[in-house]
Amino acid sequence: KQEVTQIPAALSVPEGENLVLNCSFTDSAIYNLQWFRQDPGKGLTSLLLIQSSQREQTSGRLNASLDKSSGRSTLYIAASQPGDSATYLCAVEGEYGNKLVFGAGTILRVKS
Amino acid sequence: KAGVTQTPRYLIKTRGQQVTLSCSPISGHRSVSWYQQTPGQGLQFLFEYFSETQRNKGNFPGRFSGRQFSNSRSEMNVSTLELGDSALYLCASSLMTGVRNEQFFGPGTRLTVL
Repeated sequence: KQEVTQIPAALSVPEGENLVLNCSFTDSAIYNLQWFRQDPGKGLTSLLLIQSSQREQTSGRLNASLDKSSGRSTLYIAASQPGDSATYLCAVEGEYGNKLVFGAGTILRVKS
Repeated sequence: KAGVTQTPRYLIKTRGQQVTLSCSPISGHRSVSWYQQTPGQGLQFLFEYFSETQRNKGNFPGRFSGRQFSNSRSEMNVSTLELGDSALYLCASSLMTGVRNEQFFGPGTRLTVL
């Protein structure tokens, strides 16, 4: 059974700092890995998707890497801003079916 | 292009009642998945529909059911509501062509069971 763990559970940083969020998964037979952002009481916003054959994806100040063999992914946020404050969720999709298994998330607070 | 829409956004029901939630996927998307989010259990997969067929099902009791229509819109039904069914119910749609399978989520339906 796939299990996804995110570390740290919460993070508070001053504005402008670069930061790294970690995600690990127990079964390396994944189809892709997706990072999401969730604001309080809202739905999920897709940030980055990395297919199993890829090593990383970049979008603006965000960079996500994937090491499938070791079951790890990192989300790097450069020059953090107060507007980045949210919960960040990592999810993996198995090789069969369209089912995402989510981690518990990292609650990020960027202080101005 | 319009995103995933879910109706209603908020619902209050009492124990024993039933409820139906609706999800309209992004135009052209044929796969619709449903998730339950609670503070204790996090995000959990309920089921997925593709071309009106349930392809995948999570570990939820039979009180939770769904269906998909020919226009890809989907509904989820919960019968005999329990207090523990209070949650944010999220719907996601995806294109399901090629190798890239990004999922896009709606704003959710907040269900409160009293």
